[in-house]
Amino acid sequence: DTGVSQNPRHKITKRGQNVTFRCDPISEHNRLYWYRQTLGQGPEFLTYFQNEAQLEKSRLLSDRFSAERPKGSFSTLEIQRTEQGDSAMYLCASTPTESYEQFFGPGTRLTVL
Amino acid sequence: SQQGEEDPQALSIQEGENATMNCSYKTSINNLQWYRQNSGRGLVHLILIRSNEREKHSGRLRVTLDTSKKSSSLLITASRAADTASYFCATDGRTDKLIFGTGTRLQVFP
Repeated sequence: DTGVSQNPRHKITKRGQNVTFRCDPISEHNRLYWYRQTLGQGPEFLTYFQNEAQLEKSRLLSDRFSAERPKGSFSTLEIQRTEQGDSAMYLCASTPTESYEQFFGPGTRLTVL
Repeated sequence: SQQGEEDPQALSIQEGENATMNCSYKTSINNLQWYRQNSGRGLVHLILIRSNEREKHSGRLRVTLDTSKKSSSLLITASRAADTASYFCATDGRTDKLIFGTGTRLQVFP
């Protein structure tokens, strides 16, 4: 399967703990996006990368959130000191620079107890 | 915050019937896309319509765009049980990111 992959698929953590998610985009896709989706809502943009450069961050991304894309390949999203309000599905998508269509991974479902 | 809103929020139809869902958005766009999401396959791109296009077809899908009203519609003809999913419109707001609507939950009964 050469689609976008995300790990882990599910994460349950206690409030105050740190969590890290990984996204592996489709090979040679320059752009990588992170979204968050809560129940009954559409995905909300968090941040995106063009190769290794982080070009935009949403106001939703508080200082507890950090994302990286070293070497312009896979990306990680870390949430520090998790709160119950962080419970959501975290989606990753990738796209080639010349395209608008985004290819989404299956998501990581985070539950903060 | 969400850019757009879909209408209706939920829709139930019988197989073979057509399903129409509408999307309204707030800012100028370069293009508008429709995505489908179900538990089995996650979010999947369906169709893209550019701001200078008024109508586009792809298989059983027909999309219209009215930039003067900032609205779009998605028509699924001859629906099948497998079309059961949530459908989202997504606009780019003339940026590189997608801004999704709130979605329409479609249920197609056999």
